Amino acid sequence: GAVVSQHPSRVICKSGTSVKIECRSLDFQATTMFWYRQFPKQSLMLMATSNEGSKATYEQGVEKDKFLINHASLTLSTLTVTSAHPEDSSFYICSARDFRAGGDAETQYFGPGTRLLVL
Amino acid sequence: QKEVEQNSGPLSVPEGAIASLNCTYSDRVSQSFFWYRQYSGKSPELIMSIYSNGDKEDGRFTAQLNKASQYVSLLIRDSQPSDSATYLCAVKGSGGYQKVTFGTGTKLQVIP
Repeated sequence: GAVVSQHPSRVICKSGTSVKIECRSLDFQATTMFWYRQFPKQSLMLMATSNEGSKATYEQGVEKDKFLINHASLTLSTLTVTSAHPEDSSFYICSARDFRAGGDAETQYFGPGTRLLVL
Repeated sequence: QKEVEQNSGPLSVPEGAIASLNCTYSDRVSQSFFWYRQYSGKSPELIMSIYSNGDKEDGRFTAQLNKASQYVSLLIRDSQPSDSATYLCAVKGSGGYQKVTFGTGTKLQVIP
């Protein structure tokens, strides 16, 4: 299966600072990446869909100015949590799909996740 | 109405038994179905995908799909304590760009 990496795996920051999380597809090119958030004992919540070379599509209730997404290449998408607050503490997970001809558009491959703690 | 429904569990089975996990979905035009396993504190990992009615087997895992009943299940034979995790059912509509919708997951506990 395809491999997706995330960096950092864990980050602790002070309230008010910004945190950038990287998501990379290592052995395939991902035209589309997805960002999820998961609070303890809850299910995955899709935050936004990131398309290479275009603006991200945010789910209802997700603040686009707070969660900045950039998908500048076919292998890298970044999520920046701006002015983070304790309530933003969560497990952030990215996933990727390859919509190009010949790619596996059906399957969504997940990164290992980034655990964010805002003090 | 939830789009993908799963019993949250926990589902407890003894080691060596068959664990049966169920999932129903509301969108009749859904075409692709996936089972993911998520260990506590980790991200989901794909176990199986199924696209056609019937059974699909992969090792100890069997996925079953019944599109008429809008029902998909996962059977785990010879359950092991290492199978203890939350199992997520995911459903996608027809067409490559359709969004994948995840259920809330069923927690499985395999008792040694």
